[in-house]
Amino acid sequence: QQQVKQSPQSLIVQKGGISIINCAYENTAFDYFPWYQQFPGKGPALLIAIRPDVSEKKEGRFTISFNKSAKQFSLHIMDSQPGDSATYFCAAIRLGTGNQFYFGTGTSLTVIP
Amino acid sequence: DTGVSQNPRHKITKRGQNVTFRCDPISEHNRLYWYRQTLGQGPEFLTYFQNEAQLEKSRLLSDRFSAERPKGSFSTLEIQRTEQGDSAMYLCASSRGDLAVQETQYFGPGTRLLVL
Repeated sequence: QQQVKQSPQSLIVQKGGISIINCAYENTAFDYFPWYQQFPGKGPALLIAIRPDVSEKKEGRFTISFNKSAKQFSLHIMDSQPGDSATYFCAAIRLGTGNQFYFGTGTSLTVIP
Repeated sequence: DTGVSQNPRHKITKRGQNVTFRCDPISEHNRLYWYRQTLGQGPEFLTYFQNEAQLEKSRLLSDRFSAERPKGSFSTLEIQRTEQGDSAMYLCASSRGDLAVQETQYFGPGTRLLVL
């Protein structure tokens, strides 16, 4: 059973455009929601994260929007750049545990110059 | 480089052979995790250690898989009698302690295994 559902599977955006990736979860015990960026041949790297008591978090060009009632959250990449081309994973975590860490299936983002 | 390191980066083996991967976590991190990532999927949890103690194993970790962290520092993941279905990227991650805000896991570059 997929704990975290992610869409779309792939995304192509023009340079300067907005990239939007969506995730949904079911388990209300999750209390931390990070996004990871993964380049080919590398491990995932933490990009930005949010707690469910916050509806939005912005860091530079990256914004997480969080809808607790709908159990959905999304990553917005503003002014997308070719260097943003990577695979993005959302995740849901139950804090205070060591293993309650679930990734989405990933979104392959391509930013066209 | 003080990040998580993994060796080898790539491994090609024939079905039925045994393979062993190594992970060196960030030095002050006492938690170490192993994940498996197949093409087009997110990483799936396999097992994790608190120092040298293995605290949990996923049911994905069959009897052919064994992980150790003998001195609470580096860890090894061994797969015996490899099968083609074992072909995947094996990721190691580490953290200071329990998963916490601003203190999530740091991932290594992974070991890509291909079983022929």
